[in-house]
Amino acid sequence: DTAVSQTPKYLVTQMGNDKSIKCEQNLGHDTMYWYKQDSKKFLKIMFSYNNKELIINETVPNRFSPKSPDKAHLNLHINSLELGDSAVYFCASSQDPSDNEQYFGPGTRLTVT
Amino acid sequence: GIQVEQSPPDLILQEGANSTLRCNFSDSVNNLQWFHQNPWGQLINLFYIPSGTKQNGRLSATTVATERYSLLYISSSQTTDSGVYFCAVEPRYSGAGSYQLTFGKGTKLSVIP
Repeated sequence: DTAVSQTPKYLVTQMGNDKSIKCEQNLGHDTMYWYKQDSKKFLKIMFSYNNKELIINETVPNRFSPKSPDKAHLNLHINSLELGDSAVYFCASSQDPSDNEQYFGPGTRLTVT
Repeated sequence: GIQVEQSPPDLILQEGANSTLRCNFSDSVNNLQWFHQNPWGQLINLFYIPSGTKQNGRLSATTVATERYSLLYISSSQTTDSGVYFCAVEPRYSGAGSYQLTFGKGTKLSVIP
């Protein structure tokens, strides 16, 4: 009965490949997020999304794109992977902007070789 | 954007000791959360505390929103408290991105037996 789940937990791939990370929440929340944690443990927002709008952090390359098949899922697609994309990616969700306590998934460690 | 500063950056405690972690933020906030990232990388919600005081077992937190800071108290520390403690805030301004969390750089806590 995990609240926010991500797959895979680990992902090793080569430069230039395209990959996806899946995220699902069973909390009935309206808003989902993707965060990136770099090698220095710094966490930074990449996207936030609800059924009305997608908000993209301006520093995120357009090789990254979120896809939401339904309210419970927000997948992260990454095209043309680069070495600098290696990081831990966290998915999170919250009820709605007025009740914004965010709950995080376990993270996906992406290694680009 | 909003600035979040956490102190101290590193802390080593003897088991059983008490500690106080501080989070300063540069602007008004709608949301403030404390997280514990354990050695396995999991982000665990500790407190959702945009203002006031909350307690949960050996942990408590206080946010003084008017003075733009929050404190996390850990009493009778245990080795399982080791990890990185993050403060994250949602700035109080309208417009795009107003419900995304901005994280501090964290306090790395090591509790030794």
